[in-house]
Amino acid sequence: NAGVTQTPKFQVLKTGQSMTLQCAQDMNHNSMYWYRQDPGMGLRLIYYSASEGTTDKGEVPNGYNVSRLNKREFSLRLESAAPSQTSVYFCASTQVSGANVLTFGAGSRLTVL
Amino acid sequence: AQSVTQPDIHITVSEGASLELRCNYSYGATPYLFWYVQSPGQGLQLLLKYFSGDTLVQGIKGFEAEFKRSQSSFNLRKPSVHWSDAAEYFCAVVPTRAGTALIFGKGTTLSVSS
Repeated sequence: NAGVTQTPKFQVLKTGQSMTLQCAQDMNHNSMYWYRQDPGMGLRLIYYSASEGTTDKGEVPNGYNVSRLNKREFSLRLESAAPSQTSVYFCASTQVSGANVLTFGAGSRLTVL
Repeated sequence: AQSVTQPDIHITVSEGASLELRCNYSYGATPYLFWYVQSPGQGLQLLLKYFSGDTLVQGIKGFEAEFKRSQSSFNLRKPSVHWSDAAEYFCAVVPTRAGTALIFGKGTTLSVSS
């Protein structure tokens, strides 16, 4: 089925470890996004890529890096995980940034001990 | 500061009763406006959107929303709530029409009582 695929779905890390969340879409969308969801905070934008080859910071970029590997893939990296990064992470994509109807992945639950 | 506000953190409605979830935004120009729903443990699903034109928009699952420019509001309504509507609801906006990302409110959790 077409859509947004995130891996892994669950991950437990120790403080200071690094990891990469992978996201791939097969809808030929131009724009891709990473959000984190925390109780009572809604979804907050971490980084986005309006088109292949570009990335921009969102509301909460500190502690994260991203790579738009190609048009399909947009990865999120935690270089040195902290407990404050315990969250559910959602990747999303859309054809055109601005006139946004986002398609979301199922989410990746990350716990940092 | 520019923001999206959902004043109600948690609402409980009896099954069959009507529902209104509030959303206000504080951006100068009329943004693109959206409502998403998230069932427990699931991703987000688009309920409806407003870009321009008729200020009353219809969505899926019997939901509708009305854009009121004078009140900077985009409230979500449903005439008769079903137990399956229990979920978290997010209002979201794209602040300008120049290619910026979707900004979400903090969400309203809907519980449905029998």
